[in-house]
Amino acid sequence: DGGITQSPKYLFRKEGQNVTLSCEQNLNHDAMYWYRQDPGQGLRLIYYSQIVNDFQKGDIAEGYSVSREKKESFPLTVTSAQKNPTAFYLCASSIFGREGQPQHFGDGTRLSIL
Amino acid sequence: AQSVTQLDSHVSVSEGTPVLLRCNYSSSYSPSLFWYVQHPNKGLQLLLKYTSAATLVKGINGFEAEFKKSETSFHLTKPSAHMSDAAEYFCVVSGITGGGNKLTFGTGTQLKVEL
Repeated sequence: DGGITQSPKYLFRKEGQNVTLSCEQNLNHDAMYWYRQDPGQGLRLIYYSQIVNDFQKGDIAEGYSVSREKKESFPLTVTSAQKNPTAFYLCASSIFGREGQPQHFGDGTRLSIL
Repeated sequence: AQSVTQLDSHVSVSEGTPVLLRCNYSSSYSPSLFWYVQHPNKGLQLLLKYTSAATLVKGINGFEAEFKKSETSFHLTKPSAHMSDAAEYFCVVSGITGGGNKLTFGTGTQLKVEL
């Protein structure tokens, strides 16, 4: 079945440590997205990529970095500069360039501070 | 600019009674609208979408929503709630920005279904 795989499901970060969250899709979608979810705040866009080797900042990009070397993969690094990283992180993908296309989501990674 | 407001943060219904989750939107363009459902520690699953075709949209699991332009609303309904419907529901508006489809999410409505 086609879908989006996020790993790990749970992740713990120590002070001063960078951690990387994995997102892989086999839907052949061009566009991929990273969201952060906090209780009562809905989803906020961190970064998105519409094509390989290109990505744009979303609404809350500070303290995060991404890469898009392959169409299928869009890893997110939470750097030590992100002072409040505890959250549920969701990766999504969609067809690019056509109005009304829904985004398809993975099952998320829950990041906590040790 | 676009925005979406979910009018209730929590809704509680009895099993077998109707469900109504309310959503109002604002958009500079003719919007596409979606409802997603999220079960605990899971990703979001698409329930239904409106993309300027029929104003009454049917989705999965017996849910439907009606697009009302005059009221800028897109409320989600289901005639009879089931225990498995207990989850968080997100109303989402999509706008075109330079060719991409940027989604703006509401803050969610937690649906509780009681026996």
